[in-house]
Amino acid sequence: TQLLEQSPQFLSIQEGENLTVYCNSSSVFSSLQWYRQEPGEGPVLLVTVVTGGEVKKLKRLTFQFGDARKDSSLHITAAQPGDTGLYLCAVQGFGNEKLTFGTGTRLTIIP
Amino acid sequence: DSGVTQTPKHLITATGQRVTLRCSPRSGDLSVYWYQQSLDQGLQFLIQYYNGEERAKGNILERFSAQQFPDLHSELNLSSLELGDSALYFCASSPPPDSKGQYFGPGTRLTVL
Repeated sequence: TQLLEQSPQFLSIQEGENLTVYCNSSSVFSSLQWYRQEPGEGPVLLVTVVTGGEVKKLKRLTFQFGDARKDSSLHITAAQPGDTGLYLCAVQGFGNEKLTFGTGTRLTIIP
Repeated sequence: DSGVTQTPKHLITATGQRVTLRCSPRSGDLSVYWYQQSLDQGLQFLIQYYNGEERAKGNILERFSAQQFPDLHSELNLSSLELGDSALYFCASSPPPDSKGQYFGPGTRLTVL
């Protein structure tokens, strides 16, 4: 079983629509990060959330860390073609610096 | 540009061969991490070095080894290559303390024929 499950696995929507993707686990983590990866490139860090219930905004992207620090969501408002990519969540355990990545959500925004 | 550099960008080799992948971290970052990304396994942590010392090990095969040099650049050595080793290999670095995110290089695409 995967430590981190992301849903949906694939999502294709029209430009201008809103969307939410999820990252879920049964374990508690010290922090959770979201990355976006484009084909042939390395993942790019979007945000790190540390505190349960924390909400962070990055322009049209809103990230939330669950109260119990087991799950997270990423909401995109008015999606743009430039948002297309593979969205990965990743976690670090307590006293552990290595990242464990989720299964990913492949997002396509149709112009 | 993350500030992390990796060479080469592409590498094509034959089964049984040995290759070395190189990574230079962002200026000031002491930690270097290596990851393997394949279609069926996703992004998997291999190994971490901190200021020249091995700090954590993940799903790294015995045929693979790594080191971090005094100038903080790192090399990942892959030997006795098999078809299944074909993947993207990423290096990442992070500043101390190592809990606020990692910065990934552009990767090396390894193809084993």
